Amino acid sequence: SQQGEEDPQALSIQEGENATMNCSYKTSINNLQWYRQNSGRGLVHLILIRSNEREKHSGRLRVTLDTSKKSSSLLITASRAADTASYFCATVPYSSASKIIFGSGTRLSIRP
Amino acid sequence: DGGITQSPKYLFRKEGQNVTLSCEQNLNHDAMYWYRQDPGQGLRLIYYSQIVNDFQKGDIAEGYSVSREKKESFPLTVTSAQKNPTAFYLCASSIERTDTQYFGPGTRLTVL
Repeated sequence: SQQGEEDPQALSIQEGENATMNCSYKTSINNLQWYRQNSGRGLVHLILIRSNEREKHSGRLRVTLDTSKKSSSLLITASRAADTASYFCATVPYSSASKIIFGSGTRLSIRP
Repeated sequence: DGGITQSPKYLFRKEGQNVTLSCEQNLNHDAMYWYRQDPGQGLRLIYYSQIVNDFQKGDIAEGYSVSREKKESFPLTVTSAQKNPTAFYLCASSIERTDTQYFGPGTRLTVL
């Protein structure tokens, strides 16, 4: 089963609004990563947050991590048309024997 | 320019044929990965390699094979044993297992 599950599966908002996506996972992690994928392209890394961190910012992006709830959220503020993409969380398990696992993604559409 | 490249961008295969997808990186990364992505879905790990001459099966390795003879190269062969190979294939690399992954542009494989 998937380690990371994103919610919602799809999100449509007006340009200028904020977008929030959530990711839940099941086992202890070393870190959690967020990626963006434009249609038909490879993934682009956005933010990596380690298990001992609670919040990270990068430009209009804010990521939070709650290890007690095994969940993370990605907030995009003041959305733009160029933010239209799919967003994936990926969890890196604490165990070195385990593999990174990607969630199924949130498809974000920004309406002009 | 440092980066990760995949070729070809589009690949067509007849049933019963083996095909090899190329992945090359000049980032001096130790770890490399192959993922499969089906339409509207997340990424599923096929194989990964943490160091030259070593690789491990991912979640969906059946019908695929890899080699890692050089640090820069991690080719993926889709064999005739893979029953439903039509998909988007993504290669990635990272410094080591827990780090950010850098993705190539992908290869879209279609079985005719």
